[in-house]
Amino acid sequence: GQQVMQIPQYQHVQEGEDFTTYCNSSTTLSNIQWYKQRPGGHPVFLIQLVKSGEVKKQKRLTFQFGEAKKNSSLHITATQTTDVGTYFCAGPSSNTGKLIFGQGTTLQVKP
Amino acid sequence: SAVISQKPSRDICQRGTSLTIQCQVDSQVTMMFWYRQQPGQSLTLIATANQGSEATYESGFVIDKFPISRPNLTFSTLTVSNMSPEDSSIYLCSVGDSVNYGYTFGSGTRLTVV
Repeated sequence: GQQVMQIPQYQHVQEGEDFTTYCNSSTTLSNIQWYKQRPGGHPVFLIQLVKSGEVKKQKRLTFQFGEAKKNSSLHITATQTTDVGTYFCAGPSSNTGKLIFGQGTTLQVKP
Repeated sequence: SAVISQKPSRDICQRGTSLTIQCQVDSQVTMMFWYRQQPGQSLTLIATANQGSEATYESGFVIDKFPISRPNLTFSTLTVSNMSPEDSSIYLCSVGDSVNYGYTFGSGTRLTVV
């Protein structure tokens, strides 16, 4: 079945370092969404990308959708302790339209 | 975006019992989604709750174990029946956001079965 894969599973960085998580789908996606889940919290929607090659920025966060619409990345510049959490990508199933979540990348930031 | 009130926020239950989780949305929505998140894992869709019709269950989830009610466009319940320790998980309800296109999640129910 359709799969959405994310790497790395975990990332430890020193505060101020950059961080990137990568998302790959087994099929072409109509859109890709990104969520952040703080420890003990629930997933919170960050952004949706729709167009091939699209790049969107939210302050220190840069989201990119691949040209083939099968991969995406989230890059955080100069991480802060507030960036700690698990970042999930999610794409709609080509069969049902329901969201399929990647495994998530858990980011730890050392102050 | 929608605001979802989910309760209980957490519970510790004896095996063999059932727990009903409630989600109230501050606006009318066509579909509500129920997810399970096992410790340290991703989100797995259990079922889609449709108002006026039976819920649609994903592979591996059955109505007898996870009965769902959807009496109106702002409310849904998920029951975890005949619980075992393997049901210990976070259960989340969710709705789509027609403005931002993302999903809004309830705060989750952290269930521990002992």
